[in-house]
Amino acid sequence: AQSVTQLGSHVSVSEGALVLLRCNYSSSVPPYLFWYVQYPNQGLQLLLKYTSAATLVKGINGFEAEFKKSETSFHLTKPSAHMSDAAEYFCAVSDAAGGFKTIFGAGTRLFVKA
Amino acid sequence: NAGVTQTPKFRILKIGQSMTLQCTQDMNHNYMYWYRQDPGMGLKLIYYSVGAGITDKGEVPNGYNVSRSTTEDFPLRLELAAPSQTSVYFCASSLGQDQETQYFGPGTRLLVL
Repeated sequence: AQSVTQLGSHVSVSEGALVLLRCNYSSSVPPYLFWYVQYPNQGLQLLLKYTSAATLVKGINGFEAEFKKSETSFHLTKPSAHMSDAAEYFCAVSDAAGGFKTIFGAGTRLFVKA
Repeated sequence: NAGVTQTPKFRILKIGQSMTLQCTQDMNHNYMYWYRQDPGMGLKLIYYSVGAGITDKGEVPNGYNVSRSTTEDFPLRLELAAPSQTSVYFCASSLGQDQETQYFGPGTRLLVL
């Protein structure tokens, strides 16, 4: 069965610092992996996704993530945090064996300090 | 395109009352989903639909019902509201399954007292 683990329910960084949000997944077949962002009082929106093409995926707002099969990881990074990046971030996994179901992680709330 | 719209934005229910959460999408997506979001728990799938007339249970379907009479609409029904159903509910749609992006509505915040 698929599963997603996000390490750290809260991450705090200073403006201009590196953002690193961790995600590990479990899947019995090649996975599709997603990062979604949720701003306060809004629905989720896609940041980026991995669909078995390039292992380094670039998304919106300067975010990127690297698929590492050997580590079963899909960590999200951004070189320089901006105040507007403060939000909750969800990692998600689906695969052909999952039957239309995308599994979401518990989420990581990112705080950005001035 | 409005995308995915949900009504109402906020509702307070008394225990035992019923209500319908409305969801509409204008992207001609076949796949639609209902999730609930509880603090620290991520999103849990309640029901999903792969097309008009076809629905199926997700991870947490108890206490809910859905219908899909048109491609655009996917209402979620709570028949006998319970405090455990206090949550934020999100509707989403996608063009297909697996690798397809899901597009989310703004959510309905429900409080059952």
